[in-house]
Amino acid sequence: EVQLVESGGGLVKPGGSLRLSCAASGFTFSSYSMNWVRQAPGKGLEWVSSISSSSSYIYYADSVKGRFTISRDNAKNSLYLQMNSLRAEDTAVYYCARDLLVGAGALDYWGQGTLVTVSS
Amino acid sequence: EIVLTQSPATLSLSPGERATLSCRASQSVSSYLAWYQQKPGQAPRLLIYDASNRATGIPARFSGSGSGTDFTLTISSLEPEDFAVYYCQQRSNWPFSTFGPGTKVDIK
Repeated sequence: EVQLVESGGGLVKPGGSLRLSCAASGFTFSSYSMNWVRQAPGKGLEWVSSISSSSSYIYYADSVKGRFTISRDNAKNSLYLQMNSLRAEDTAVYYCARDLLVGAGALDYWGQGTLVTVSS
Repeated sequence: EIVLTQSPATLSLSPGERATLSCRASQSVSSYLAWYQQKPGQAPRLLIYDASNRATGIPARFSGSGSGTDFTLTISSLEPEDFAVYYCQQRSNWPFSTFGPGTKVDIK
């Protein structure tokens, strides 16, 4: 069974940092591109970042470029998101999600999410 | 950036009725469109990918159609568990992606 379990969320002050983790199991993690998607309270979904299976290709939404860093450790079946210079507008539930292997990159499995709250 | 518009914002229907949800893109996304269902407190679930392909385990009452800029998600006969928010997503310039604002399907 495919499982994605996020951790690392919490309350942080504006300007602070946080590192999110996503532990993957039930599939060959090293074969899949992975993503972070966030959802502000009561709002819609926003794609944040993607990383290819071997970390060769990394992409960010403009809203987080220069502040967030995505990475992965295929030996540990883990995905990470280092978030620096956090702002109030970064407050959201952060989901890790797997790229579907076929087709045009839909996201076929999602974790349960971890809440990040940026507030003084 | 490609903007997705979903209509209606809310759809009030009864169990057993047919639901038709629309997603329109500001420019062509070919067939690179997916649909997700999200229930309160849960992660999104993939329903349809590449405009018309059902994801693994998705019931046949869910179907998708369209290409270019206009897409439709149809639920042929609403079950009680189908009342949720539905999002469309485009990924025509992978991996960059945008989501629509969602359509809430609630019980009439």
